[in-house]
Amino acid sequence: SQQGEEDPQALSIQEGENATMNCSYKTSINNLQWYRQNSGRGLVHLILIRSNEREKHSGRLRVTLDTSKKSSSLLITASRAADTASYFCATPGKEGAQKLVFGQGTRLTINP
Amino acid sequence: DGGITQSPKYLFRKEGQNVTLSCEQNLNHDAMYWYRQDPGQGLRLIYYSQIVNDFQKGDIAEGYSVSREKKESFPLTVTSAQKNPTAFYLCASRSGGAGGEQYFGPGTRLTVT
Repeated sequence: SQQGEEDPQALSIQEGENATMNCSYKTSINNLQWYRQNSGRGLVHLILIRSNEREKHSGRLRVTLDTSKKSSSLLITASRAADTASYFCATPGKEGAQKLVFGQGTRLTINP
Repeated sequence: DGGITQSPKYLFRKEGQNVTLSCEQNLNHDAMYWYRQDPGQGLRLIYYSQIVNDFQKGDIAEGYSVSREKKESFPLTVTSAQKNPTAFYLCASRSGGAGGEQYFGPGTRLTVT
């Protein structure tokens, strides 16, 4: 049961540029989360945005949430080679909030 | 140093053998999760547990079993009934209430030949 879908599936940019990834979801949510996964590693939580928030910042990360369009975006400013990773959005499953449903992810490559 | 540990990092088994993947956490979290990830794909939920001695099936539970005898431990057994067991397995625990952020272990890559 897929809830979030990321777009694009893959993104390649030059170091220093900004990277934007989008996530669309299907059902009503009370929060949306973004995670990062370096190759062959576990996921790391980046940011959680609640349904009553429109924008949230954390360092070079900016997340927006538009509940009317059921979509969210993750912006990474001034990208670095270390930002190369896969990024996933996750939302609470429709059966209840005890579990998260993850999208397929965006694979981001930062070229030096 | 708190966190989630999974062992081993790489595991190789012959087809037809059951194998148990370990997951331990010292974060004092009640809820724990097992996910499967195939190459280039997202995470799919296998089983989850909200409290000791209780667990629920996720989206792809067939061919897997779990136990939750201790708060710190949530082992996953991949049985011979699992048709395509080769994958990357991730364990996680949840901070706070329902819908809260999850903390992930480093994963176990299982290869069955």
